[in-house]
Amino acid sequence: EAGVAQSPRYKIIEKRQSVAFWCNPISGHATLYWYQQILGQGPKLLIQFQNNGVVDDSQLPKDRFSAERLKGVDSTLKIQPAKLEDSAVYLCASSLDLASSTDTQYFGPGTRLTVL
Amino acid sequence: SQQGEEDPQALSIQEGENATMNCSYKTSINNLQWYRQNSGRGLVHLILIRSNEREKHSGRLRVTLDTSKKSSSLLITASRAADTASYFCAGSGGSNYKLTFGKGTLLTVNP
Repeated sequence: EAGVAQSPRYKIIEKRQSVAFWCNPISGHATLYWYQQILGQGPKLLIQFQNNGVVDDSQLPKDRFSAERLKGVDSTLKIQPAKLEDSAVYLCASSLDLASSTDTQYFGPGTRLTVL
Repeated sequence: SQQGEEDPQALSIQEGENATMNCSYKTSINNLQWYRQNSGRGLVHLILIRSNEREKHSGRLRVTLDTSKKSSSLLITASRAADTASYFCAGSGGSNYKLTFGKGTLLTVNP
């Protein structure tokens, strides 16, 4: 089966510019996650969707970050305006069944963002 | 805040040796999971252990969980150069089974 797809793989922008990342989850997976991974750290959950509804966005900096999953499949994550500290790898993951205590998340390859 | 904290931060061993990584977590969990991340790549799920389990095996992997100490360990036996990667533990907690990752252990297996 095809894995989680993300694009672009790399992005370099200047601070105060805007950027958007796209994610296509594994077919049939209801739950989609966006993580931020700063160099040398583990991934941090930014937002979690169940179908097209938000389950958890408690760690999303809502003044500059936004995400949507309008049709319950693909998702986009946007940063506007970007700051230097946003330089990180942005990982998308999906899972089949949020209600399962043994639900496994499958990760995409990530988008490496560099803010200059 | 990080749920898991791995120890050691870095580990270098020779091929064929065993590698042990430890993880401590802070709050109650539904399950604890271990992931591997090769340089510049996404994370790959390795193994999940439920909060009511104490030990689990998968191939060359052995995971233990001690909920009284809020700790877990990952043992990789007979390591290979291809095992070189960062290893993360992640506690799954709350009604939405949110994963909270530690900072990871960088394992280097020398041929």
